[in-house]
Amino acid sequence: ETGVTQTPRHLVMGMTNKKSLKCEQHLGHNAMYWYKQSAKKPLELMFVYNFKEQTENNSVPSRFSPECPNSSHLFLHLHTLQPEDSALYLCASSHDWDSNQPQHFGDGTRLSIL
Amino acid sequence: AQTVTQSQPEMSVQEAETVTLSCTYDTSENNYYLFWYKQPPSRQMILVIRQEAYKQQNATENRFSVNFQKAAKSFSLKISDSQLGDTAMYFCAFMPNRFNDYKLSFGAGTTVTVRA
Repeated sequence: ETGVTQTPRHLVMGMTNKKSLKCEQHLGHNAMYWYKQSAKKPLELMFVYNFKEQTENNSVPSRFSPECPNSSHLFLHLHTLQPEDSALYLCASSHDWDSNQPQHFGDGTRLSIL
Repeated sequence: AQTVTQSQPEMSVQEAETVTLSCTYDTSENNYYLFWYKQPPSRQMILVIRQEAYKQQNATENRFSVNFQKAAKSFSLKISDSQLGDTAMYFCAFMPNRFNDYKLSFGAGTTVTVRA
């Protein structure tokens, strides 16, 4: 049990679909992150939320839309995705953004765009 | 932006033997943190070990130890007495110790396969 839970585990969608990825953490953390993991490439930080406020948007296309309703939940809304968006999307949390504490990761959602 | 380089895409080791994974990084910071994360086939990223740059002593965590060479900007991971459960992808990561900028930068990863 990692304390960070991501659903769904796998998602296959067409380029015109709209879907959402969900992340939930039970660690009492205040910062949450979305990362994109593509094959043979370093993890790419996408978004950071600290105390529900977005503190980082790493030049992510607008077809990815994050939402953080509270410190325990983080969503990534997807629409009109491209084939190159197929990847593993990892959620992570940490004590807070202004901290050197390590991040705890979920198991990821494997996204495939048809 | 910090650059983290893992020059070994894949490594294979016999069970019970030792394997060393290399990692170098590029930074102008003096104060920072370095991490090794493990990602097994289950995909969960697990923190293996953490090193604070201001500490000269190399971090150890059971069978995992690091060789931190600050001047050379090198941070290798040694896995001793390898076990089948160590089979995973290993990522080296860098984080500056700078207020409001605790961003992790990852290397591309090294796939480690432990053979029975």
